[in-house]
Amino acid sequence: EAGVAQSPRYKIIEKRQSVAFWCNPISGHATLYWYQQILGQGPKLLIQFQNNGVVDDSQLPKDRFSAERLKGVDSTLKIQPAKLEDSAVYLCASSLVSAGGVYNEQFFGPGTRLTVL
Amino acid sequence: GNSVTQMEGPVTLSEEAFLTINCTYTATGYPSLFWYVQYPGEGLQLLLKATKADDKGSNKGFEATYRKETTSFHLEKGSVQVSDSAVYFCARSPSNTGKLIFGQGTTLQVKP
Repeated sequence: EAGVAQSPRYKIIEKRQSVAFWCNPISGHATLYWYQQILGQGPKLLIQFQNNGVVDDSQLPKDRFSAERLKGVDSTLKIQPAKLEDSAVYLCASSLVSAGGVYNEQFFGPGTRLTVL
Repeated sequence: GNSVTQMEGPVTLSEEAFLTINCTYTATGYPSLFWYVQYPGEGLQLLLKATKADDKGSNKGFEATYRKETTSFHLEKGSVQVSDSAVYFCARSPSNTGKLIFGQGTTLQVKP
């Protein structure tokens, strides 16, 4: 079974530029998550999708970050414009949701390492 | 607030030593608790979990018990190996949400 795919693996941009990350979850996983992991910290949830709807985006800096999952499968996360403090690893994860709304194990992709200069 | 606190790292041990990595949480309700591991050059993967009080999660010789009275979920292993060198993350998931709230991670280095 293929895992969660992310691209690109690395990205270097200058501040005020735009950048986009792509994630393809495990086939059949209805729930998709984007996390931000700053060096030396644990991952922090940015946004959670259930199919193509947003479940939780309370920690997404909406003035510069946006995310979509239009067809309920793959997803893109965009930053526009980027700031120095956005330098981090962006992780995508996916999970099944069982009958009764029970969330199962999250499987993580390899992440995209973003450096903002 | 709702948070997860882990002991500071790095933790450096000799092979076959006993390991404890402390984790405490603050939360309302009855969260599920997890330990994730990140081996060098690899992605995050689930190590073990517990979904209710007094449950013990176990995998690959690691164990952790959900202690509601002390709001803790300490990770233990009786005899570590060099291959256990990694970053370990404690996490909790609020009831019925799916999302994970992580601690800051603890780096474990095991020397031969």
